[in-house]
Amino acid sequence: NAGVMQNPRHLVRRRGQEARLRCSPVKGHSHVYWYRQLPEEGLKFMVYLQKENIIDESGMPKERFSAEFPKEGPSILRIQQVVRGDSAAYFCASSPSDGTDTQYFGPGTRLTVL
Amino acid sequence: GEDVEQSLFLSVREGDSSVINCTYTDSSSTYLYWYKQEPGAGLQLLTYIFSNMDMKQDQRLTVLLNKKDKHLSLRIADTQTGDSAIYFCAVPYNQGGKLIFGQGTELSVKP
Repeated sequence: NAGVMQNPRHLVRRRGQEARLRCSPVKGHSHVYWYRQLPEEGLKFMVYLQKENIIDESGMPKERFSAEFPKEGPSILRIQQVVRGDSAAYFCASSPSDGTDTQYFGPGTRLTVL
Repeated sequence: GEDVEQSLFLSVREGDSSVINCTYTDSSSTYLYWYKQEPGAGLQLLTYIFSNMDMKQDQRLTVLLNKKDKHLSLRIADTQTGDSAIYFCAVPYNQGGKLIFGQGTELSVKP
């Protein structure tokens, strides 16, 4: 059974470009979460999605960041007009649709903004 | 909102026991979690404890939960060099959905 898949694993962007991070949840999981880990810090929640719905986006910056989890295909975290402060590791997690909390994490995408 | 605190560093000798502590401010969740992160890697779910339990043992891992004091600990018996990593305590906020993470405890195991 495949776990949570994220791609790319490493992404380099110049200031002002767009970054698109993809996450495929564990097969059968319909809940997806995105977290950001800044250097030397713990993980901070960004957004919680179910298929075609944003459930909680309380951790998302108000501008430049968006997330979706379409009916078909992976979840996408999109960062427009990246700045150096966006450099971080972005982790996706998924959980089953039976309401349990347990979240399983992907390997992360390490974004570097030059 | 929820706040989760951990000490930042722990150093032990191989073969000793390690105890990593975590305090939280509030949790109405049914589960509390420990994750392990090795350098450059994602988070691996280590273990979790149901909130109506005081203790859970899983091979070399023992989780203790004191709900009254809002204190969670992870004990690793016979610590090995391969246990060197960062350990995160995570508490669900508001009955599910987002996890609130501690800052992580960096465990260093010396031979």
